[in-house]
Amino acid sequence: AQSVSQHNHHVILSEAASLELGCNYSYGGTVNLFWYVQYPGQHLQLLLKYFSGDPLVKGIKGFEAEFIKSKFSFNLRKPSVQWSDTAEYFCAVTDTSGTYKYIFGTGTRLKVLA
Amino acid sequence: DTGVSQNPRHKITKRGQNVTFRCDPISEHNRLYWYRQTLGQGPEFLTYFQNEAQLEKSRLLSDRFSAERPKGSFSTLEIQRTEQGDSAMYLCASSLEESGANVLTFGAGSRLTVL
Repeated sequence: AQSVSQHNHHVILSEAASLELGCNYSYGGTVNLFWYVQYPGQHLQLLLKYFSGDPLVKGIKGFEAEFIKSKFSFNLRKPSVQWSDTAEYFCAVTDTSGTYKYIFGTGTRLKVLA
Repeated sequence: DTGVSQNPRHKITKRGQNVTFRCDPISEHNRLYWYRQTLGQGPEFLTYFQNEAQLEKSRLLSDRFSAERPKGSFSTLEIQRTEQGDSAMYLCASSLEESGANVLTFGAGSRLTVL
């Protein structure tokens, strides 16, 4: 069965620090990968996605993620975080076999100190 | 189109009562998903529809849970004989399948508290 692991449950950074959030998935087939973000009091929003092609994908607000197939990883990065990036971040995977059932990780709660 | 709409946003009920949540997806989206999210956890898949057909149900969805999408538009999720363990945020999402790509758009959720 598919699963997603997010190793960092809580991260606290100062503004301008660099961010990397880990995401590993367990699935042997072809996958689509996603990062969703949930800002305080708001609903889940798509941050970025990987379907195929260039394994380095760029999303909104300066975020990027790199798909490393050999490591089953899809880590999220941002070179310089802002206070407004305070949110919860969820990695998700879905297979391409036709079920399109998203499996989410447990999330990483990021707090950025001004 | 204002996105995915869920009602009610909050529901407080007593144990043993039935509750129903409604989801109105983005109008052109053919897929509709229900997820459940508890504190400190990511969304857990419950079920999804393609048009009016319910294609998959999670083992999390006990026989007290039922979901429908009668005309392939809005969907309802009913929980019968609620238990305290049902307290959670119930999320609806919709998507349009295009060329194997499938991106979920989420609603704001319906928060259930069972006393």
